[in-house]
Amino acid sequence: QSALTQPPSASGSPGQSVTISCTGTSSDVGGYNYVSWYQQHPGKAPKLMIYEVTKRPSGVPDRFSGSKSGNTASLTVSGLQAEDDADYYCSSYAGSNNARVVFGGGTKLTVL
Amino acid sequence: EVQLVESGGGLVQPGGSLRLSCAASGFTFSSYSMNWVRQAPGKGLEWVSYISSSSSIIYYADSVKGRFTISRDNAKNSLYLQVNSLRAEDTAVYYCAREAFGVVHDYWGQGTLVTVSS
Repeated sequence: QSALTQPPSASGSPGQSVTISCTGTSSDVGGYNYVSWYQQHPGKAPKLMIYEVTKRPSGVPDRFSGSKSGNTASLTVSGLQAEDDADYYCSSYAGSNNARVVFGGGTKLTVL
Repeated sequence: EVQLVESGGGLVQPGGSLRLSCAASGFTFSSYSMNWVRQAPGKGLEWVSYISSSSSIIYYADSVKGRFTISRDNAKNSLYLQVNSLRAEDTAVYYCAREAFGVVHDYWGQGTLVTVSS
């Protein structure tokens, strides 16, 4: 199972909005509503930001939102803040025993 | 507060073995499936293995099948990963992650570094 495709980088100024895409196939992103997004700061563990495509865990600001269309999921960060500067990874259930979950390659979000 | 604390990483020669551990607290460990996810230096996340709450269902990524063994001890609130026949490409930070409904990794440990080098 191949990794999901994310752009390697994205950027925006404080207050702006940025959208990060995550493209898979009908066997993963397009086949299930089990897409998650994780934020990772350098040297830290990943933190869950979005699950089941659009849901936000308690404590995650509503500036973070998720969506999906076909085989592509997206994470939108509105009202960019300095602390949003981090790596973002998408993941999806892939339905098979030997590739139960697939991750994207990650996107480095830079707040200018 | 949910806490996951990994240990057991270190420097090992190619072909060597290690046993990674993950100590869980702050939740009913026996009610949750668990996963191991790894991250090579400067690279992205890679799912490694899954174990159901009762250990009845276990999955591995193709890249580690036959070399790694996941297990858990619900009485000790602990998750394990026995890693054998290590290769240079297994060098990574290994994270344990709790799995919530919807195949989501909702809590992660801080990771333990495994370095495979001669």
